[in-house]
Amino acid sequence: QKEVEQDPGPLSVPEGAIVSLNCTYSNSAFQYFMWYRQYSRKGPELLMYTYSSGNKEDGRFTAQVDKSSKYISLFIRDSQPSDSATYLCAMTAAGNKLTFGGGTRVLVKP
Amino acid sequence: DTAVSQTPKYLVTQMGNDKSIKCEQNLGHDTMYWYKQDSKKFLKIMFSYNNKELIINETVPNRFSPKSPDKAHLNLHINSLELGDSAVYFCASSQARTGVGSGYTFGSGTRLTVV
Repeated sequence: QKEVEQDPGPLSVPEGAIVSLNCTYSNSAFQYFMWYRQYSRKGPELLMYTYSSGNKEDGRFTAQVDKSSKYISLFIRDSQPSDSATYLCAMTAAGNKLTFGGGTRVLVKP
Repeated sequence: DTAVSQTPKYLVTQMGNDKSIKCEQNLGHDTMYWYKQDSKKFLKIMFSYNNKELIINETVPNRFSPKSPDKAHLNLHINSLELGDSAVYFCASSQARTGVGSGYTFGSGTRLTVV
């Protein structure tokens, strides 16, 4: 079993819908949680970063962390075709390397 | 103006050959990384250097040898290439050793195909 699990998708939604993504993890030492977006043939780019449990909002994006359940989520409101990409969760304990999920492919249809 | 640049973008080579991938960052970051992304999009760390010092060396065949001549450059040399080495290799850099806070900045990847 991998340390970080993520449904590979694809997740197909109509334009304007809410996209809901999540990851589960097994290492209770993880404290820092990130979401990256990766377009085809490009490198991942950082979208959201949260520390410990709680919510964080940035424009159309909301990240949630529930450390008690070892579960993190990313919500994309009013999705656009340009949001079509692979979304990777990543996490780390302080002083350790970043561990990535396998990514969820998202398709937003016009 | 590219923050993290890798060369080459594409590399097609025969089994048994030796090849190198180069990476440079102009962000002033102290830490650089090599990640391997397989066909299922799973990103796995290979190496990490902090200010030219090797700090992470995952279970990678010793055919892979990183070199960091200065903190802005991290190269990857691969000896005796095998079919299983085919993947996309990403270079990344970060301000902090763990990538927390500012996260990692990734290059656009080198797609290696071994035939």
